Order: sequence, then C-alpha cells, then structure tokens
Amino acid sequence: NAGVTQTPKFRVLKTGQSMTLLCAQDMNHEYMYWYRQDPGMGLRLIHYSVGEGTTAKGEVPDGYNVSRLKKQNFLLGLESAAPSQTSVYFCASSDFNQPQHFGDGTRLSIL
Amino acid sequence: AQSVAQPEDQVNVAEGNPLTVKCTYSVSGNPYLFWYVQYPNRGLQFLLKYITGDNLVKGSYGFEAEFNKSQTSFHLKKPSALVSDSALYFCAVRDRDRTDKLIFGTGTRLQVFP
Repeated sequence: NAGVTQTPKFRVLKTGQSMTLLCAQDMNHEYMYWYRQDPGMGLRLIHYSVGEGTTAKGEVPDGYNVSRLKKQNFLLGLESAAPSQTSVYFCASSDFNQPQHFGDGTRLSIL
Repeated sequence: AQSVAQPEDQVNVAEGNPLTVKCTYSVSGNPYLFWYVQYPNRGLQFLLKYITGDNLVKGSYGFEAEFNKSQTSFHLKKPSALVSDSALYFCAVRDRDRTDKLIFGTGTRLQVFP
C-alpha cells in the first residue's frame, strides 16, 4: 500500500532557484494539503485542495504555488527559493471527516 | 479562531509508568480534536479523534484521550509506556469551515526511558 508518496525526499537549492515538489496519493481522496514543519512551530498549512482543479491558500502561502490537475496529484512549486523556505514539507490527503494520511516528507535546504 | 496548545515541549517517563501528554483547545462551536504521532524521518500517523460521544476515546497502540469540556482539554494517555512510544506527538483541531483543514499544536516530544 503506497498511500501518500512524496518526491523528492531531499533537495538542496540555491537562493533564487525554482523547483516543484510532487505529491501522489492512491486512495482516491478528494482533499489534499501541503504543510511545512519547522522546529517549535508544529505544522503550518501552505495550500490545500478540496478536489481536482481546485486550490486554496492556507496559513503561510506566500512564495509558493500549487496545482491539482489530476485528482491523485498535488504539486507544490517554489518560483524563487529563499533561505526562509528551508523546511520539511509534508503532503497529506483525506476524505471529508476522515483522518489525514501523510507522506514521509521532503527535506529542503536553500543556501 | 480555532487553536490548540501543547504546554510541554518534552515529557519524560520511565518505561512501564503511565504517561500523559497535554493539550488544551480554544474553539467556536463543537470541537473536532485529533492526536497524531511522528516517528523520526516519517510523516504523521493518526492515533485517535474525538468528534462526539464518549469523553474517553480509544486509539491505536494502546493510547487513549480524555475529552474534558469544562477544562477545554484533550489529554493523551497510556497506562504503561513503552520505549517504542518515544516520538513527537501533535494535537490538532479541525478548522470551522468544511474543508477538513487541521490546525496543529507545536508538538510534544515524549521520551520513554528504559
């Protein structure tokens, strides 16, 4: 059972570079989420989607963009990476009123 | 706004002893509360949830949580701790809108000593 798969697992970027993080889920969930985890701050929601073709801003959306062209995939983009975006990024998926299922994260360092 | 607070950054307990990880909440309306656990280099795993009904909720791995409306608390408990329970624990509350967004606490690191 794959569940939620995130790629890549690790990445190092230079300031100003761009990249895309991919999240794929095989549970046919409607809702998908992108969080960032920073020490002492818990998880903060970046963007989320309530269905294919929809996206919405979360608590900390600045500097990120997302797309959900297919129900099973949710992409997180950094157009111009900044050191403040060094973090661990988690994707999750769920159906309404059900627990969220999380991937194992992408560790991103921006130099 | 919905929020949860985890007042302890770390909890230390000896193996075999009971453990409690604290969580308090602030919500408008009825709270939907969750506990998740995170092991090193892994994503969060669901432990249990409270939506309505009995104030004592049983979850995975022998954990349970007690919902207390008068104290606005949702503490995680286990009667006998195991070394393998050592991990990071997060309390969360569902946001008021119907998008299932979760608002997480800052996490509590549980260390169980042999």
